Amino acid sequence: NAGVTQTPKFQVLKTGQSMTLQCAQDMNHNSMYWYRQDPGMGLRLIYYSASEGTTDKGEVPNGYNVSRLNKREFSLRLESAAPSQTSVYFCASRLDRGDSYEQYFGPGTRLTVT
Amino acid sequence: GNSVTQMEGPVTLSEEAFLTINCTYTATGYPSLFWYVQYPGEGLQLLLKATKADDKGSNKGFEATYRKETTSFHLEKGSVQVSDSAVYFCVPREGGSQGNLIFGKGTKLSVKP
Repeated sequence: NAGVTQTPKFQVLKTGQSMTLQCAQDMNHNSMYWYRQDPGMGLRLIYYSASEGTTDKGEVPNGYNVSRLNKREFSLRLESAAPSQTSVYFCASRLDRGDSYEQYFGPGTRLTVT
Repeated sequence: GNSVTQMEGPVTLSEEAFLTINCTYTATGYPSLFWYVQYPGEGLQLLLKATKADDKGSNKGFEATYRKETTSFHLEKGSVQVSDSAVYFCVPREGGSQGNLIFGKGTKLSVKP
C-alpha cells in the first residue's frame, strides 16, 4: 500500500497565483485532514473532512478551500496565493475504528510564495 | 482550551545516552495520547500510543506511560542512536468521535556519534 500520497512535492508560486494540492489515500479511511507546518511550529489544522461529501474548517482556514472528491481524495486549493501561505502542507487520513483514532500522514508539499 | 506542553528543544545527546522528553497536556476527559516523530524532510510517523490511564506505549525502544494523575506522557529511551535524530511531537486527541489532534511545537533531538 502507498498510504497517503501528496502531489506536488515542491511548488513555487507568485503572489496572486492559484494552485491545488492533491492528496490521496488507499487505506479506505473515512476522515481526511489538511495541515500546515511553519518553521519551529507544530502542525495547524486548515480543514478536515469526516466523510465523503462533508468538510469543516479547522484552526486556520482563511485563504483556502477544499474538496473531498471521493473517499480517496481530498484536495486543498489556494485561490490567490500570498507570501503568508509559504509553508509545508501535510495531508493525513484517519482510521475511524478501534479506540485510538490515529492519523497517518503524507510526505508533505513544500510551497513557497514569492 | 486543550493544549500540550513539551520541553523546549533542541536536545543534544551523545549516542547511547538516556533520553527523556517531558510532555504534559490539558484536555477534557481522558484523551488518547500519541507520540509522533518527524525525520528531516519527511512527514510525521506514529511512534507509539496509549488510549487509557496507565497504558504503556512502546516501539523501537521508546516508551511512554499515560499518567492520568499528572496528565503527563513522557517519552523515554534507554540508549539513543544517531538515527533517532528527529523532531518529536506529543499529541493528545480531543474527545468525541471527531476529536482532532492537538499539536505543540515539538522537541528537536540531535544525537551525536
